[in-house]
Amino acid sequence: TQLLEQSPQFLSIQEGENLTVYCNSSSVFSSLQWYRQEPGEGPVLLVTVVTGGEVKKLKRLTFQFGDARKDSSLHITAAQPGDTGLYLCAGVDYGMRFGAGTRLTVKP
Amino acid sequence: SAVISQKPSRDICQRGTSLTIQCQVDSQVTMMFWYRQQPGQSLTLIATANQGSEATYESGFVIDKFPISRPNLTFSTLTVSNMSPEDSSIYLCSVGLNQETQYFGPGTRLLVL
Repeated sequence: TQLLEQSPQFLSIQEGENLTVYCNSSSVFSSLQWYRQEPGEGPVLLVTVVTGGEVKKLKRLTFQFGDARKDSSLHITAAQPGDTGLYLCAGVDYGMRFGAGTRLTVKP
Repeated sequence: SAVISQKPSRDICQRGTSLTIQCQVDSQVTMMFWYRQQPGQSLTLIATANQGSEATYESGFVIDKFPISRPNLTFSTLTVSNMSPEDSSIYLCSVGLNQETQYFGPGTRLLVL
């Protein structure tokens, strides 16, 4: 059983569409990170959220940390083919735990 | 951020043999971590490589199977010993000032036949 559940597991959309991916847990985390991993590369840190209810924006990406610090969401506006990749959330409690990821494909 | 390189980038090995993976960082870092990413799955922490002391292994991973060296603040190695096909995976090192901010290397893709 994954400590962090990510949904959906796979997502294929057309360029220009909006999407939201979710990261849920029954555990409370001191912080939560989102990473993007492209084929043949290691994960790249996108953002760290620390405070319950926190919202961070990174260009077309909006990250939200749940009030109880158990869940998070990533919303992408007007997706582009360059957004294609594996999106991983990771929570820190007594160590860093990764979700299984959402594999996003944006078709031109 | 830090620039991290790993060698080899990929390898194909015979079962029963061992492979040592190197991780080099362009700056001195306190914490280095080794992860495994099996096909289609997420990252699983193998161990934390501490400079000047023994590595700290996560549940399910043992030193005899995955010996780690950390001779200085910019370098670490992970050895996958007595390999079997189940060890086929991507092995990633990461570095960070703390667990919350980690930067990953490009990974080593291992296939065991």
